Amino acid sequence: DIQMTQSPSSLSASVGDRVTITCRASQGIGNYLAWLQQKPGKAPKSLIYGASTLQSGVPSKFSGSGSGTVFTLTISSLQPEDFATYYCQQYNSYPLTFGGGTKVEIK
Amino acid sequence: QVQLVESGGGVVQPGRSLRLSCEASGFTFSNYGMHWVRQAPGKGLEWLAVIWKDGNTKYYADSVNGRFTISRDNYKDTLYLQMNSLRAEDTAVYYCASSIIVAGMVDYWGQGTLVTVSS
Repeated sequence: DIQMTQSPSSLSASVGDRVTITCRASQGIGNYLAWLQQKPGKAPKSLIYGASTLQSGVPSKFSGSGSGTVFTLTISSLQPEDFATYYCQQYNSYPLTFGGGTKVEIK
Repeated sequence: QVQLVESGGGVVQPGRSLRLSCEASGFTFSNYGMHWVRQAPGKGLEWLAVIWKDGNTKYYADSVNGRFTISRDNYKDTLYLQMNSLRAEDTAVYYCASSIIVAGMVDYWGQGTLVTVSS
């Protein structure tokens, strides 16, 4: 199984900050990597797929990059609605696997 | 728009069975693969199973293989998860999700249904 490791597991940031989250795969997955956002008590929401393609309706402040084993999610200017937990997910092979999550909190 | 509505959750005793359903609308259900994903209280996301559009190809996570069965009814636009031999560690919110944008990727999600396994 492909293991997905996210870092950091949590971070504190201020409104307007630029935030970067890293996801590492235990083996190469090409660009078969998605990022999801989950707010408390809500279902996850897909943000990015193909490592860097924004899902329809997702604001351009979110961006993704990487390929192979190292990927990043960047939020260019953090807004109050962005405080949430973010997950990466590989869909290169079954079983699909998620990273452990990164909780973005208000400083 | 894509809508996925799960039902069937509740409280069940260890060792018993439960069947979850997920009604789909807003897209041509029979054209796409579908998944089940769960989230234990305070924990991360765990992928459980996928069923391809024709219903003949299925994959499972090791944690549920042999106990859970994913199925679909393309006439009713409904996805199912039959859960047998339930354990306390199966307590979680269960989400159904689609693979519409890209094959294999989990893209649209339902609101989830809570399953609690407790005596």
